[in-house]
Amino acid sequence: NAGVTQTPKFRILKIGQSMTLQCTQDMNHNYMYWYRQDPGMGLKLIYYSVGAGITDKGEVPNGYNVSRSTTEDFPLRLELAAPSQTSVYFCASRPGAGASNQPQHFGDGTRLSIL
Amino acid sequence: EDQVTQSPEALRLQEGESSSLNCSYTVSGLRGLFWYRQDPGKGPEFLFTLYSAGEEKEKERLKATLTKKESFLHITAPKPEDSATYLCAVQVGLFSGKLIFGQGTTLQVKP
Repeated sequence: NAGVTQTPKFRILKIGQSMTLQCTQDMNHNYMYWYRQDPGMGLKLIYYSVGAGITDKGEVPNGYNVSRSTTEDFPLRLELAAPSQTSVYFCASRPGAGASNQPQHFGDGTRLSIL
Repeated sequence: EDQVTQSPEALRLQEGESSSLNCSYTVSGLRGLFWYRQDPGKGPEFLFTLYSAGEEKEKERLKATLTKKESFLHITAPKPEDSATYLCAVQVGLFSGKLIFGQGTTLQVKP
C-alpha cells in the first residue's frame, strides 16, 4: 500500500497566484486532515474531514479551502497566495469514529514557497 | 486553552548516553497522547499511543510513559540512527480525532 500520497513535493508560487495541493490515501480511511508546519513550530491543523462531503475548520483555516468528494481524496486550495503561507503542508488520515484512538498516518509533505 | 509543550527544544547525546524527552500538556479532556518521529524531509511516523496515567509503551530503545500532566520519552543507549525530531501530540476531539502538537524535540546522537 502507498498510504498517504501528496503532490507536488515542492512548489514555488508568486504572490496572488492560486494552487491546489493534492492528497490521496488508499487505506479507506474516513478521516483526513491538513496541517502546516513552520520552522521550529509544531503542526497546526488547517482543515479536516470526517467523511466524503463533510469538512470543518481547524486552528488556522484563513486563506485556505478544502473539498471532499471521495473517500480517497482531500485537496487543499490556496486562492490568493501570500508570503505567510510559505510552509510545509502535511496531509494525514485515520480510520473512522469506531476506532477513535487510532493514530493518524502522514504523507511526506509539500514544501511551498511564496515569493 | 489546550496547549502542549515539549522540552528541551534540542538535545545532543553521545552514542549510548541515555536521556529523556518531556511533553507537558494542558487540555480540557485527554483522549489520547501520541508520540511521532519525524526525519528531515519526511512526514511524522507514528511511535506510541498512551491513554491513561501510569501507562507505559516500549519499542526497541524507546519507552513512553504518561502521568496526568506530562509524558516522557525515554531513550536508552541511543544510536546515531535514533537522530530525528520527536513530536508529541494530544487528541482533544473524541470523534474528530483532532490533535494538538508540541513544537518537537530535535535529537542528535553522535557516534
